[in-house]
Amino acid sequence: NAGVTQTPKFQVLKTGQSMTLQCAQDMNHEYMSWYRQDPGMGLRLIHYSVGAGITDQGEVPNGYNVSRSTTEDFPLRLLSAAPSQTSVYFCASRPGSLGGEQYFGPGTRLTVT
Amino acid sequence: AQKITQTQPGMFVQEKEAVTLDCTYDTSDQSYGLFWYKQPSSGEMIFLIYQGSYDEQNATEGRYSLNFQKARKSANLVISASQLGDSAMYFCAMSLAGGTSYGKLTFGQGTILTVHP
Repeated sequence: NAGVTQTPKFQVLKTGQSMTLQCAQDMNHEYMSWYRQDPGMGLRLIHYSVGAGITDQGEVPNGYNVSRSTTEDFPLRLLSAAPSQTSVYFCASRPGSLGGEQYFGPGTRLTVT
Repeated sequence: AQKITQTQPGMFVQEKEAVTLDCTYDTSDQSYGLFWYKQPSSGEMIFLIYQGSYDEQNATEGRYSLNFQKARKSANLVISASQLGDSAMYFCAMSLAGGTSYGKLTFGQGTILTVHP
C-alpha cells in the first residue's frame, strides 16, 4: 500500500497561473479531503468528498475547485493563483466509520509570487 | 459549527517526564470523535490517538493517553516518559459522526512541544 500520495512536493506559481495538485489513495477509502496549513496554524478544510461524484465545500473553498471521478483520485485545482494561496496543502483519506483514522499525504508546499 | 481550542502555544518538558497538552472542544452534537496528531519538523501528519464520544474508557496508545472529560468538553493528551523525538507540533482535532461529516476534521491551532535533555 502506498497510502495517500500527493504530487508535486513543491511548486512555485506566478500570480494568475492555474495548476492542479494531484492526490491518490489506494486504500479504497470513501472519504477524501483537502486541507491547507498556513505558517504556525492548524489545518483548515478546503473541500471534501464522500465518494465518487460527490464533493462539498469546507471552511475555505474560494479559489479552489475539486472533482472526484474515481474512488482513488481527488485532484485540487487552483483556478487563478494568488499570493494568499501560498501554503502547505495536505490531502487526506478516511474509511467510512467514525473511529477510522484519517490518513494524510506528505503535503505539497506551494508558493505564489 | 465545531471549534477546537488549544490554549498552550508552546510547552517545555524534561526528558523522561510526563506532559499534558490541553484541548477543549465545542459542539452541540452528541456523537463525535476526537483525534490527536503529531507534526514533526519534517511536516508529515502522524496520527497518535482517537477517542469516541461514547467511549467510556480513556483511549491509550503506548505512551499516549487521552484524558477525556465529556462534561467539561476537554480531551487532553498525556505523553508519559517524554523522549527527545517527541519534540514536535501537536494538533487536536474533531469530527462529527454521521452522513458526510466523517471526512471533515476541525483542527485546533496546535501546541509546540519541546523536550529538553
